[in-house]
Amino acid sequence: QQQVKQSPQSLIVQKGGISIINCAYENTAFDYFPWYQQFPGKGPALLIAIRPDVSEKKEGRFTISFNKSAKQFSLHIMDSQPGDSATYFCAASWTNAGKSTFGDGTTLTVKP
Amino acid sequence: EAGVTQSPTHLIKTRGQQATLRCSPISGHTSVYWYQQALGLGLQFLLWYDEGEERNRGNFPPRFSGRQFPNYSSELNVNALELEDSALYLCASSPVGQNEKLFFGSGTQLSVL
Repeated sequence: QQQVKQSPQSLIVQKGGISIINCAYENTAFDYFPWYQQFPGKGPALLIAIRPDVSEKKEGRFTISFNKSAKQFSLHIMDSQPGDSATYFCAASWTNAGKSTFGDGTTLTVKP
Repeated sequence: EAGVTQSPTHLIKTRGQQATLRCSPISGHTSVYWYQQALGLGLQFLLWYDEGEERNRGNFPPRFSGRQFPNYSSELNVNALELEDSALYLCASSPVGQNEKLFFGSGTQLSVL
């Protein structure tokens, strides 16, 4: 199975709040789990990524939590800002496959 | 450093026609990927080219094809266009040896009437 399931489809958060987006995967061969951020009219941009040998990775206000046994990973955006309003995609791939499987995306709106 | 560039930005075709989309990767990147992003949906993998060869292909019919040139630029051809081919087509490139890290262009919006 190649599927990656992402939730929620949309999310509204107040400025300063925490945004949490979840993804679940099925293929245990995946070894790279990135999150992409896409603004309207632009292509997705790599935001942060994790490999299954660690359970958490933090870069600034963005944190990935990874649960290998549950085959789930999530993106946490701390102190959410209106400028974070965008569509976020999780993805999964394995080294040298040249193919990433994407979730369907989450539209985040951060209200001022 | 210039990012991934795609042309044209928008393309309007009618059913049955052919469309050609072009992509220039980031300098030094040798792999190019094509993804289809239909409205409101996630990205679907189309094709992967590396060093001029097709390395992997997604679950799309043969009328979706492409090639990679010696300068690593690429083009995607879609023959016998159908209405459901209307989508944003994204090109990405990756650093050598890191083909899991994708750097995307802004895409070509293809509309089939």
